[in-house]
Amino acid sequence: DTEVTQTPKHLVMGMTNKKSLKCEQHMGHRAMYWYKQKAKKPPELMFVYSYEKLSINESVPSRFSPECPNSSLLNLHLHALQPEDSALYLCASSQFQTEKLFFGSGTQLSVL
Amino acid sequence: GENVEQHPSTLSVQEGDSAVIKCTYSDSASNYFPWYKQELGKRPQLIIDIRSNVGEKKDQRIAVTLNKTAKHFSLHITETQPEDSAVYFCAASKGYGGATNKLIFGTGTLLAVQP
Repeated sequence: DTEVTQTPKHLVMGMTNKKSLKCEQHMGHRAMYWYKQKAKKPPELMFVYSYEKLSINESVPSRFSPECPNSSLLNLHLHALQPEDSALYLCASSQFQTEKLFFGSGTQLSVL
Repeated sequence: GENVEQHPSTLSVQEGDSAVIKCTYSDSASNYFPWYKQELGKRPQLIIDIRSNVGEKKDQRIAVTLNKTAKHFSLHITETQPEDSAVYFCAASKGYGGATNKLIFGTGTLLAVQP
């Protein structure tokens, strides 16, 4: 299995909603990532987990809360988002931190 | 911190021609340079990568060259086909883990291959 699976594929939420994005990989990778991507821009790093520990938080607002329950799963909990948070949210994994990232197909998030 | 510049931002070529995309990085400690292709509405996918201990790497119609002295690396696509049309991102990192190590992306190049 060489896939990173993300759910849901699309999400529309209001500014008062709470939702979660989910990511799963079964490649035995020890690093997992959340990226945010706006149209026509490169992926922008949000969080990195290495060996299930948070190793990088790129000063992301607290309305985004990551969680790594085990080595195969990564969640991103969303609360009180703003319209400017609308974007494609990509999960990725790699054998070790920064090596050969495999991306999921992303969650297209719209905040109304 | 690391900064990666990428040029051109858009590139249009005729099918069968070659395409070259160039990147410059700022941190001389960077030693890992991947290239990602992102088709419209799809995920970024790694197409080729190079480490600082080699100057060139080829995979069929794709090649990457690295000039460590000038801190430049380039993607070369030969015999372009319409399915090569996509956004291409270069990136740089210090490689091999490290808790603070991260991949820095260039701004992207939109390649259009005209049939």
